Amino acid sequence: QQPVQSPQAVILREGEDAVINCSSSKALYSVHWYRQKHGEAPVFLMILLKGGEQKGHEKISASFNEKKQQSSLYLTASQLSYSGTYFCGTAGGGADGLTFGKGTHLIIQP
Amino acid sequence: DTGVSQDPRHKITKRGQNVTFRCDPISEHNRLYWYRQTLGQGPEFLTYFQNEAQLEKSRLLSDRFSAERPKGSFSTLEIQRTEQGDSAMYLCASSPPNYNEQFFGPGTRLTVL
Repeated sequence: QQPVQSPQAVILREGEDAVINCSSSKALYSVHWYRQKHGEAPVFLMILLKGGEQKGHEKISASFNEKKQQSSLYLTASQLSYSGTYFCGTAGGGADGLTFGKGTHLIIQP
Repeated sequence: DTGVSQDPRHKITKRGQNVTFRCDPISEHNRLYWYRQTLGQGPEFLTYFQNEAQLEKSRLLSDRFSAERPKGSFSTLEIQRTEQGDSAMYLCASSPPNYNEQFFGPGTRLTVL
């Protein structure tokens, strides 16, 4: 089953924070987050493995609640370059192909 | 450029023709994945290889779709007797040994007229 992402879209002013959620009905081994700009390939942001760890680099971080099968992506002090569509991809096993959500459209305005 | 490369970047074909796409993974990445992405949707997993072995192919959309990775390096995805519904972006991703991150190539955009 496809993971459910929320919200579907969000519009922010530069410098504001955003949270994007990803929820699955299946047991997960890993959650992968990508950002895709129009006409381009998805760009890998980070991967979270089961164990409830939180990861981050610069102003983008994410958490994974294995028991709830949920992950959240946190964008702080958003920049114009953060605009795009964010996808979470889930896997039930280490090498599995990913099942992606429908994406969250993020628009950052100056 | 040491990223995943795909060729061609764009392909326009007529319904009923066969098409083949190529993917060159990042050097030393032993796993290679194929996905299809249609407008407004996330990528949809099709198949994957570990070295030359195709470990999952039940998600290929129909028997018109096939993929190979004969020497464990580059891979090809073939669509026979194309249909208008096959129009989409076809993405390839690769993953290094012992890691689960998947890195995508730029994709091949297929248009079936």
